[in-house]
Amino acid sequence: NAGVTQTPKFQVLKTGQSMTLQCAQDMNHEYMSWYRQDPGMGLRLIHYSVGAGITDQGEVPNGYNVSRSTTEDFPLRLLSAAPSQTSVYFCASTQGNTGVTEAFFGQGTRLTVV
Amino acid sequence: GDSVTQMEGPVTLSEEAFLTINCTYTATGYPSLFWYVQYPGEGLQLLLKATKADDKGSNKGFEATYRKETTSFHLEKGSVQVSDSAVYFCALSDPTSGGSNYKLTFGKGTLLTVNP
Repeated sequence: NAGVTQTPKFQVLKTGQSMTLQCAQDMNHEYMSWYRQDPGMGLRLIHYSVGAGITDQGEVPNGYNVSRSTTEDFPLRLLSAAPSQTSVYFCASTQGNTGVTEAFFGQGTRLTVV
Repeated sequence: GDSVTQMEGPVTLSEEAFLTINCTYTATGYPSLFWYVQYPGEGLQLLLKATKADDKGSNKGFEATYRKETTSFHLEKGSVQVSDSAVYFCALSDPTSGGSNYKLTFGKGTLLTVNP
């Protein structure tokens, strides 16, 4: 049972480059989210999706795009990487709104922008 | 808006010591409260949760009680082990303020190191 799978695990980008962080879940969860983790800041919500075709902004959306064409996949795109986007990125999925259920997290992508 | 404040780390304990990590929250509605744990090099895992006042969440010897009167959800364990070394995050979800269980607000995390 794979759960939430993120690729790549590590990435180094040059300022101005673009890239896509991949996230896939095999639990048929409706909700998917992207967080970034920075030292001393905890995790902050970037974007989230409540189902295929529906996305919305979180707390820190600038510089990132998302789309949700299938239930399983929720890629995060960096349009023009900046050093401020150096961070660890986590994707999470949650079952539909049938009550309070736990969020399942991927193992993270460590991104460095130079 | 909603916020979570947890005690600053790092916390260093000897094996079998008692652990408390304080967590307080601010929310406009009636949040659900969570503790997540992040082991080195891994993603976050749910440790325990509580959905209403006076609920006690427990798992792997850890406990936390939802205290509405003090807006707190402190994490405790009676006897820590080396394998408990990790970063612990307090978090809330608040459906009544427009969020849901898919929108979590996290504290900054507390690094716990347990020495043998």
